[in-house]
Amino acid sequence: NAGVTQTPKFQVLKTGQSMTLQCAQDMNHNSMYWYRQDPGMGLRLIYYSASEGTTDKGEVPNGYNVSRLNKREFSLRLESAAPSQTSVYFCASSESRLYGYTFGSGTRLTVV
Amino acid sequence: AQSVTQPDIHITVSEGASLELRCNYSYGATPYLFWYVQSPGQGLQLLLKYFSGDTLVQGIKGFEAEFKRSQSSFNLRKPSVHWSDAAEYFCAVEGGNKLVFGAGTILRVKS
Repeated sequence: NAGVTQTPKFQVLKTGQSMTLQCAQDMNHNSMYWYRQDPGMGLRLIYYSASEGTTDKGEVPNGYNVSRLNKREFSLRLESAAPSQTSVYFCASSESRLYGYTFGSGTRLTVV
Repeated sequence: AQSVTQPDIHITVSEGASLELRCNYSYGATPYLFWYVQSPGQGLQLLLKYFSGDTLVQGIKGFEAEFKRSQSSFNLRKPSVHWSDAAEYFCAVEGGNKLVFGAGTILRVKS
């Protein structure tokens, strides 16, 4: 089925460990996004990529890096995980501002 | 910068009753507005969107929303709530090629 695929779905890290969250879309969308969701705070934008080859910071970029590997894939890396990065991470993609975003099912990350 | 306020953290309604979820936005230009729904453990699903034209927009699952520029509001409504509507609802405004979300409203449906 067409959509946004995120891996892994669940992950537990120790403080200081690194990991990469993977995201791929098969809808030929130009724009891709990474959000984190925390209780009572809605979704906050970490990084986004308006098109292949470009990335920009969102509202909460500290502690994260991203790579737009190609048009399909947009990865999020935590270089040195901290407990404050415990959250649910969502990847999304968009064809244009007129259509809204298509979201993946999320990655639940716990940093202990 | 754009922002969204959803004043109600939790709302409980009886099955069959009507529903209105409030959303107020702040944006300097004509807003692109969205409502999303999130079931537990799931991603977000688009319910409806507003860009221009008719200020009353229809969405999926029997939801509608009305854009009121004078009140900077985009409230979500449903005439008769079903138990399956229990979920978290997010209002969002688009600006600068990115969506900004409100904090969400958790809807509980009692039978």
